[in-house]
Amino acid sequence: QSALTQPASVSGSPGQSITISCTGTSSDVGGYNYVSWYQQHPGKVPKLMIYEVSNRPSGVSNRFSGSKSGNTASLTISGLQAEDEADYYCGSYTSSSTYVFGTGTKVTVL
Amino acid sequence: QVQLVQSGAEVKKPGASVKVSCKASGYTFTIGYYIHWVRQAPGQGLEWMGWINPNSGVTNYAQKFQGRVTMTRDTSISTAYMEMSRLTSDDTAVYFCARALTITYLDYWGQGTLVTVSS
Repeated sequence: QSALTQPASVSGSPGQSITISCTGTSSDVGGYNYVSWYQQHPGKVPKLMIYEVSNRPSGVSNRFSGSKSGNTASLTISGLQAEDEADYYCGSYTSSSTYVFGTGTKVTVL
Repeated sequence: QVQLVQSGAEVKKPGASVKVSCKASGYTFTIGYYIHWVRQAPGQGLEWMGWINPNSGVTNYAQKFQGRVTMTRDTSISTAYMEMSRLTSDDTAVYFCARALTITYLDYWGQGTLVTVSS
């Protein structure tokens, strides 16, 4: 099972919106609505930000939203803030009843 | 509140084995949730290793770790374990356990356990 493909880095200015893509195959991202997104600050534990493509856990800002089209899922952060600077990983259920993470994206707030 | 508390840091020599524990609290360990193990090498991304169903003990490992990783649980103390054998320096990483609604998303994570493999 290969890792899902994410851009290595994405940047934006405060207040702007950015989108991170996550590309897989029909055996993972494209085949199920079980894509999730995690935020990880340096030296910290990953935090669930989006589950089942577009659902936000309680306590997660509504500035974070998720979507999916075909084999590609996306995470959009609107109204970018300094605290959003972190690494972001997508994850997906797979047809082998396993789980796979994306390669990770470093978000920089300019 | 849901908590996953992992065992402390380990230093191992190449060829040795390591066993990391993950004690769950704040929910019913055997109902509805699996425990996944994820590792992160220094400066690298998240790597999924496998899951265990605490109710049945059924496991599923990433192909990369099959034959070298064993996941078990002790329901009497709500604790999951991940044991890895034949360690090499490439296994130096922080190992996380995480609770998941079966295999869909990982909602609570342990604090991580640093395993260092060095001669």
